[in-house]
Amino acid sequence: GAGVSQSPSNKVTEKGKDVELRCDPISGHTALYWYRQSLGQGLEFLIYFQGNSAPDKSGLPSDRFSAERTGGSVSTLTIQRTQQEDSAVYLCASSLGSSGANVLTFGAGSRLTVL
Amino acid sequence: AQTVTQSQPEMSVQEAETVTLSCTYDTSESNYYLFWYKQPPSRQMILVIRQEAYKQQNATENRFSVNFQKAAKSFSLKISDSQLGDTAMYFCAIISSGSARQLTFGSGTQLTVLP
Repeated sequence: GAGVSQSPSNKVTEKGKDVELRCDPISGHTALYWYRQSLGQGLEFLIYFQGNSAPDKSGLPSDRFSAERTGGSVSTLTIQRTQQEDSAVYLCASSLGSSGANVLTFGAGSRLTVL
Repeated sequence: AQTVTQSQPEMSVQEAETVTLSCTYDTSESNYYLFWYKQPPSRQMILVIRQEAYKQQNATENRFSVNFQKAAKSFSLKISDSQLGDTAMYFCAIISSGSARQLTFGSGTQLTVLP
């Protein structure tokens, strides 16, 4: 596609429910990143994919968070047993490669609200 | 580890005037890239300008330019002829060109352009 597409744009859920957030990167981009942005804060790195593998999962805040990428394209971030502190905007980005020379293109994010 | 510090949480400027946003960083890498991203209310992170650390010449993009002081680890953004559409949160970020794959962000500066 022309840009990075994320869905849903907004999600309201009850504490304890599971949620799935989807990211569709730019076609041909091999690297994919998930970031979390809490209210009024900067971006916190969660996980990075090169192709379908995730060499860096260091940012996942707990074992309730997981992510997968299939076919070197679409990625899903899953949050199990959501907590109120999970409320944030989840941003996805993709790039042609994983070196620092490659510019990340971001999606518009998924705003998650946990009641 | 890399860190980015933006010491101005909020700034305002009159339309058509010039404003400078500050950013300092720390890294042990010898080669890296620095970025300024803009995030309007739409939430989409938009690349404003990029600087390669090994290039001494300051990057410019139309009304946007940087003052890159490598020894001081400073990377400020100057916006000339400010426009209402420049109102946004501005983030400074750094990424290593080597093995690190995380784009590390500062906490952001909210810029408001006043009519």
